[in-house]
Amino acid sequence: DIQMTQSPSTLSASVGDRVTITCRASQSISSWLAWYQQKPGKAPKLLIYKASILESGVPSRFSGSGSGTEFTLTISSLQPDDFATYYCQQYNSYLYTFGQGTKLEVK
Amino acid sequence: QVQLQESGPGLVKPSETLTLTCTVPPGSILDYCWSWIRQPAGKGLEWVGRLHTSGNTYYNPSLKSRVTLSVSTSKNQFSLRLTSITAADTAVYYCARERRSGPGEPFFFDSWGPGALVTVSS
Repeated sequence: DIQMTQSPSTLSASVGDRVTITCRASQSISSWLAWYQQKPGKAPKLLIYKASILESGVPSRFSGSGSGTEFTLTISSLQPDDFATYYCQQYNSYLYTFGQGTKLEVK
Repeated sequence: QVQLQESGPGLVKPSETLTLTCTVPPGSILDYCWSWIRQPAGKGLEWVGRLHTSGNTYYNPSLKSRVTLSVSTSKNQFSLRLTSITAADTAVYYCARERRSGPGEPFFFDSWGPGALVTVSS
């Protein structure tokens, strides 16, 4: 299995902050990485795929980068609606695996 | 976002078999790949299995001996069957549609159902 490790597990930030979440894969996954946002009691929502392509309708303050084994999700200016848990997911292998999640909370 | 809807029993007894169904938009079931993903309360996401457009199925090895995915084209549904249920299977179960960004590229999850909570208890 390809293991996905996110850091940090919890991130405290304020509205307007720029935040970055890191995701590392245990082996190279090229650019086959997606990011999801999940709010309590809701299903995950696709934000980014192929490491850096913004899903339609997702605000441009979200961006992704990386390839190989190291990836980042950046929110350029936090908005109140962005406080949620974020997951990365590799789809290089059919045995899809997710990171453990990063909870973005209000500072 | 595409509308998907999970359905099934909210409560299952240990050792029994769980069957969940996902209803997808009419006419789309054969055009996409579909997956089940589950999430225990307060924990992360675990992929359970997928149904490819070819009809092939792929399962998480950790569950492979207990899980079966199937499709009903006439009902626009695909189903998850999980046998020998234990408390460790208590989770919210999501169905999801898979999409890819180009020919020959791998698939990611672009639409999810709202989820179905399954509790295993006697």
